[in-house]
Amino acid sequence: RKEVEQDPGPFNVPEGATVAFNCTYSNSASQSFFWYRQDCRKEPKLLMSVYSSGNEDGRFTAQLNRASQYISLLIRDSKLSDSATYLCVVAWGTLTFGKGTMLLVSP
Amino acid sequence: DAGVIQSPRHEVTEMGQEVTLRCKPISGHDYLFWYRQTMMRGLELLIYFNNNVPIDDSGMPEDRFSAKMPNASFSTLKIQPSEPRDSAVYFCASSQGQGSYEQYFGPGTRLTVT
Repeated sequence: RKEVEQDPGPFNVPEGATVAFNCTYSNSASQSFFWYRQDCRKEPKLLMSVYSSGNEDGRFTAQLNRASQYISLLIRDSKLSDSATYLCVVAWGTLTFGKGTMLLVSP
Repeated sequence: DAGVIQSPRHEVTEMGQEVTLRCKPISGHDYLFWYRQTMMRGLELLIYFNNNVPIDDSGMPEDRFSAKMPNASFSTLKIQPSEPRDSAVYFCASSQGQGSYEQYFGPGTRLTVT
């Protein structure tokens, strides 16, 4: 069973759309959760942490459901610059990365 | 700070050759990680160091792979002999402090073994 599972996409959306990504993880002892962003042929970078109470950073909202072992990322008012691969990351000692969901925002 | 520095950025080599990848972490960071990324397997942790000491190398695929960190500002990942299935992007990342999960990645080395 894969430790962190994501829909690979791609998600094709027009500018201004709202898009949501989901992720499930298998290790119930996982301690911390994150979303990283990876642009094409670039390195991953931390986008935001994910807290149980849910958290928001501008147009981005992350949610965690520990009971269902489920993490989500919502992007409102999509911009062309949001086009990237979004990696769901789970931490238990070290980081375990999902394979990522590709987002393509078109004009 | 210049961020995590990796060299070379691209490496093309023939099967059987030795490959050495280099990494300079961010100054003051005491954790260093080596990852490999492929389309099939995604981003996989190979090995990580704390204060220059290898902590977990369970992700190293086989004995052909070795990593060292002789000092706080330099680490190498060596593949000897290289095989076509080693073709991937190899990232080095560093972080600061125990419990800090924000890792800063270098630009990666794109390795092609023919």
